[in-house]
Amino acid sequence: GQQLNQSPQSMFIQEGEDVSMNCTSSSIFNTWLWYKQDPGEGPVLLIALYKAGELTSNGRLTAQFGITRKDSFLNISASIPSDVGIYFCAGQLGAGGTSYGKLTFGQGTILTVHP
Amino acid sequence: DAGVIQSPRHEVTEMGQEVTLRCKPISGHDYLFWYRQTMMRGLELLIYFNNNVPIDDSGMPEDRFSAKMPNASFSTLKIQPSEPRDSAVYFCASSPGGPDTQYFGPGTRLTVL
Repeated sequence: GQQLNQSPQSMFIQEGEDVSMNCTSSSIFNTWLWYKQDPGEGPVLLIALYKAGELTSNGRLTAQFGITRKDSFLNISASIPSDVGIYFCAGQLGAGGTSYGKLTFGQGTILTVHP
Repeated sequence: DAGVIQSPRHEVTEMGQEVTLRCKPISGHDYLFWYRQTMMRGLELLIYFNNNVPIDDSGMPEDRFSAKMPNASFSTLKIQPSEPRDSAVYFCASSPGGPDTQYFGPGTRLTVL
């Protein structure tokens, strides 16, 4: 099946630093999504990307859909303590059929921000 | 509006017992997803429904797992009999129009002893 390789697995940074993480896949995806999960909670959608090359921002977050459609990255600028959590990428394959509803998730990046 | 509601939030049971997890999706959402999250395997889709109809259950690990959605406001995931390897956090998510707009519930942490 499809696999997403997300890196890095964990990051320890100082408040105010910028953060970058990425996902790569052996398969082409039609949609890339980035989620954040806080302890004891479900993932929350941060950014959705629908077109190759698309660059989308949500506040201090910026994500891009790779040209090859096999990768995506997420940047967080000027990190703050509440950015702590686990960040997941997810890819969606198709626009039709039973695969439409399936998301494949990366393993997650654990972000720790030191004040 | 209330988000996705899951119950119980925590469940501890003994091997061999039946476990039923419950989910109330956000009103008006046509899609409902069940996921399992473990350290080893990450977040995995088990099954999803569209308009109460199961569309893809290929992620259900084995026959011990079953899911139902009797109406638009309620779904269950049942494990019978439960095994220690079923210990995980189970999430329900709902969406108004597909997997790219889904809202996750807070999860049920299941421990099978």
